[in-house]
Amino acid sequence: EADIYQTPRYLVIGTGKKITLECSQTMGHDKMYWYQQDPGMELHLIHYSYGVNSTEKGDLSSESTVSRIRTEHFPLTLESARPSHTSQYLCASSDQTSGLTDTQYFGPGTRLTVL
Amino acid sequence: RKEVEQDPGPFNVPEGATVAFNCTYSNSASQSFFWYRQDCRKEPKLLMSVYSSGNEDGRFTAQLNRASQYISLLIRDSKLSDSATYLCVVSAPNTGNQFYFGTGTSLTVIP
Repeated sequence: EADIYQTPRYLVIGTGKKITLECSQTMGHDKMYWYQQDPGMELHLIHYSYGVNSTEKGDLSSESTVSRIRTEHFPLTLESARPSHTSQYLCASSDQTSGLTDTQYFGPGTRLTVL
Repeated sequence: RKEVEQDPGPFNVPEGATVAFNCTYSNSASQSFFWYRQDCRKEPKLLMSVYSSGNEDGRFTAQLNRASQYISLLIRDSKLSDSATYLCVVSAPNTGNQFYFGTGTSLTVIP
């Protein structure tokens, strides 16, 4: 089992609120990722990080921001939640093992509903 | 064109059947290939990596065809517990080793 955790698991919040989705991993992985996934749809990469103080935007335009101050922690913040942000948010981490390719491990996800 | 394309299915097969999924990718520089399994409303979990020579893990066999840019997953002797969505995942050095996910192929194994 992967040691990657997300909180909260479920969040229902009103429009305009600021929210932070937490993600932490205890595997010492350098790379971390945030994906957004709607029911029955593919994962879309919204942010990623290759290490401390590194953050990049993914393919999906997002109004969220991330930070990577510590290796194990990669929080995602929405400054002003909107109903269009309703989705499942999945955090993942990976690290290249010598001789092998990166493998991503996912957290359990945060299911966000914005009213 | 999408980076990774899969037939979404659904595939409905009886217990004990053999079922195969294919996935095509567009980036010829892709180097890493995976199959993930995702249960309804759960996170994706790694099923197996796909190696150039093909590889097997119990009832699951993965194959890679670089010339045609597709990978496949074969499941033998299907179990009810195999019911899930199977995601094809590809990454390439020339895209910063980002992981590109297919939309997934839905499998339901019927008693």
